[in-house]
Amino acid sequence: GAVVSQHPSWVICKSGTSVKIECRSLDFQATTMFWYRQFPKQSLMLMATSNEGSKATYEQGVEKDKFLINHASLTLSTLTVTSAHPEDSSFYICSASGKLSYEQYFGPGTRLTVT
Amino acid sequence: AQSVTQPDIHITVSEGASLELRCNYSYGATPYLFWYVQSPGQGLQLLLKYFSGDTLVQGIKGFEAEFKRSQSSFNLRKPSVHWSDAAEYFCAVGGAGGTSYGKLTFGQGTILTVHP
Repeated sequence: GAVVSQHPSWVICKSGTSVKIECRSLDFQATTMFWYRQFPKQSLMLMATSNEGSKATYEQGVEKDKFLINHASLTLSTLTVTSAHPEDSSFYICSASGKLSYEQYFGPGTRLTVT
Repeated sequence: AQSVTQPDIHITVSEGASLELRCNYSYGATPYLFWYVQSPGQGLQLLLKYFSGDTLVQGIKGFEAEFKRSQSSFNLRKPSVHWSDAAEYFCAVGGAGGTSYGKLTFGQGTILTVHP
């Protein structure tokens, strides 16, 4: 149990375009979802936390207008990178936790390359 | 603010040898502690966690970790490493209350290489 999927697993886009990444909890209701960013050979940095039906809470330094997060249902959260630039190229990982559960279950990640 | 330090960026061991990966944390109260493993290009898999109770925690794949409050450490150990254990390992501390509740702070990661 506790499976989280991400789609797509990798995406290449041109500079200036927007890209949407989906994160789904397949077998549980995810009341909270987290989005992380991981640069090559570096650790995961929390970008934002989203609770179902509420606005996402962004970490300091993360541009909320650039990284749009929507958590419209208990099984789906999306991250949209708007007007992507090469410096946005990274590995984006989501995680999800259920009600009354502290543990986070991680998705397999999405590799974004902006050309 | 919570923080995690993994002093070793890269560790190489021979298959069958024992392993210890170090993790030191900084947190104002009793922390929630985690070890995750990440294979190249993949997400994270939870190896084990500590919330409270017995300070020696058993995890999957034969891993264990010991919480030592006096040393602010949560080192990961395995008595005999297998080639399939080669991966990157992340220690994380979780906020236990307030605005940091549920948020994980990760260490820099330790890359494990296993020689045959």
